[in-house]
Amino acid sequence: NAGVTQTPKFQVLKTGQSMTLQCAQDMNHNSMYWYRQDPGMGLRLIYYSASEGTTDKGEVPNGYNVSRLNKREFSLRLESAAPSQTSVYFCASSTSGMDTQYFGPGTRLTVL
Amino acid sequence: QQPVQSPQAVILREGEDAVINCSSSKALYSVHWYRQKHGEAPVFLMILLKGGEQKGHDKISASFNEKKQQSSLYLTASQLSYSGTYFCGTASAGGSYIPTFGRGTSLIVHP
Repeated sequence: NAGVTQTPKFQVLKTGQSMTLQCAQDMNHNSMYWYRQDPGMGLRLIYYSASEGTTDKGEVPNGYNVSRLNKREFSLRLESAAPSQTSVYFCASSTSGMDTQYFGPGTRLTVL
Repeated sequence: QQPVQSPQAVILREGEDAVINCSSSKALYSVHWYRQKHGEAPVFLMILLKGGEQKGHDKISASFNEKKQQSSLYLTASQLSYSGTYFCGTASAGGSYIPTFGRGTSLIVHP
């Protein structure tokens, strides 16, 4: 039982490059989330998926897109990376929005 | 809107107690507490639902005052393993119920 897995763990991009962060969970959870964590800012919700086939914007969605590929997988795409997107990205999942969230190990992204 | 956590940082010696507060400007349905150690993912501690319920987790407990839109996390007889950053997340009724997290409180426990 791996819980929530994320790939890659580290990534360095140049401004304007694109990339996709992958997330998968094996707990049969309905809801999945993408957060970014910046020093002193806490966890800010980028996008979430309440159930397979649905996605919604969170607090800071600009510059990102998401895909809920199936119940297990939820990916985050940066189409044209900017230095302001340098951050640690966490994926999480839960049974529903009001339940315990289980976090993946995070992806540390640097945009030069 | 992010809840406000206080204090921003706490430094303790082993065995001392600490209280971390979380307040919101909105009426709350639930409060979530997580702890994050440096370089790791946040880990769930507890969820409190409206009703003034107090919950416990070993020597860590929490209260939720619905009327004041506040929650407090109590750490008693702190251990070295309690060190980390504590986040509260608050959710309001009628929406997605997904918590919005505060900026965190850094707790350092010294021997």
